[in-house]
Order: sequence, then structure tokens, then C-alpha cells
Amino acid sequence: NAGVTQTPKFRILKIGQSMTLQCTQDMNHNYMYWYRQDPGMGLKLIYYSVGAGITDKGEVPNGYNVSRSTTEDFPLRLELAAPSQTSVYFCASSYPGLTPHRSQYFGPGTRLTVL
Amino acid sequence: KNQVEQSPQSLIILEGKNCTLQCNYTVSPFSNLRWYKQDTGRGPVSLTIMTFSENTKSNGRYTATLDADTKQSSLHITASQLSDSASYICVVSAEGGGADGLTFGKGTHLIIQP
Repeated sequence: NAGVTQTPKFRILKIGQSMTLQCTQDMNHNYMYWYRQDPGMGLKLIYYSVGAGITDKGEVPNGYNVSRSTTEDFPLRLELAAPSQTSVYFCASSYPGLTPHRSQYFGPGTRLTVL
Repeated sequence: KNQVEQSPQSLIILEGKNCTLQCNYTVSPFSNLRWYKQDTGRGPVSLTIMTFSENTKSNGRYTATLDADTKQSSLHITASQLSDSASYICVVSAEGGGADGLTFGKGTHLIIQP
């Protein structure tokens, strides 16, 4: 299993540009998440999905959109990039319910800089 | 508001020495507490997951403790190795919180020097 894969690894955007961060998992997990990690801060939940066709906002959803058309894929869309969106973005997946025996599996991250 | 505080922010120790990282939380009602290891440039990887009734859990040289009464946890690393250099993140899950019920600490940055 490849686990959770993310592309691209790095990206530089100009203010106002758009892009999609890709996330794919091959573990047949129902739950998928997008987090951002700013320097010196804890991970913040942007959006999550409990299954294909179902998405929900997390703590910091403004400026982002998501879709979940398949179990495997959970892309994150930035429509009008702003410098405040400079961060490292992590995608994660898990089986339904974060019970003690069900851990999250994280991708390697996408480092995004908006200039 | 649910919070997770970790200390110290950063720590430097010599290879072979032991160290202990702290995590205090105010998440309520409590479900479980996780410790993750995050290598530089990588995503977090789970080390241990502890429930209310578990006081101690080990994973190789890593031993986590939990005191649910005082809402404190610690991660003890024995006989540190250079590969232990990483950030260690404490994550607390709220009972019934669902997929958005996790609170992440800011992490402790650990450096092991030869």
C-alpha cells in the first residue's frame, strides 16, 4: 500500500491564483481530512469527509473548497490565493470513527508559499 | 475552549540519554490521547493511543503515561537515538467529537546530538 499520497510536494503561487492540492489514499478509509500546519502552531482542521459525497467544514475553512467524489480522492481547492494561506498542508485518512484503535494516517504534506 | 499545551517547546539532549515530554489538556469530555512523531518534512506518525482507563502504554523505547484526573500525559524516551530527532505532537480526542473532535498541541521539537 502506498498509504496517503499528496501532490505537489512544493508550490509557489502568486496572490489571486488558484490551485488544487491532490490527496489519494489506497487503504479504503471512509474518513479523510485536510489540515494546515503553520510554523510553531498545532495542526488546524480545514475540511473533512466521512464518505464519498459528504464533506464538512473544520475549524479554518475560509478560502478553501473540497469535494469527495470517490472514496480514494479528496482534493483541496484554493480559489484566490492569499499570503495568509502560506502553510504546509497535510491530508489524512482513517477508518470510520476515531476510536482508540483507529489512528489517522497522514500524507507527506504540500508546502505552499503565496507571494 | 478545548486546549492542549505541550512543554518544553524544544529540547536538546545527547544521544543515549533519556528525556520526558509533557502534555496538559483541558479537553472535555475526554475520549483518548495520542502521541505522534513528526520527522522534518514528513507527516505525523502515530506512536501511542491511550484511553481513560490506561495509565501507561509502551512502544519500543517510547513510554506514554496518562493521568486523567490531572489531565496530564507524558512521553518518555529511553536511550535516545539520532533518529529520535523530530517533533512530538500530543493530540486529544473529545468524547463524541467525531472527525472534527481532535485538538492538536503545538509539539515539542526534540534534537538528539551525537
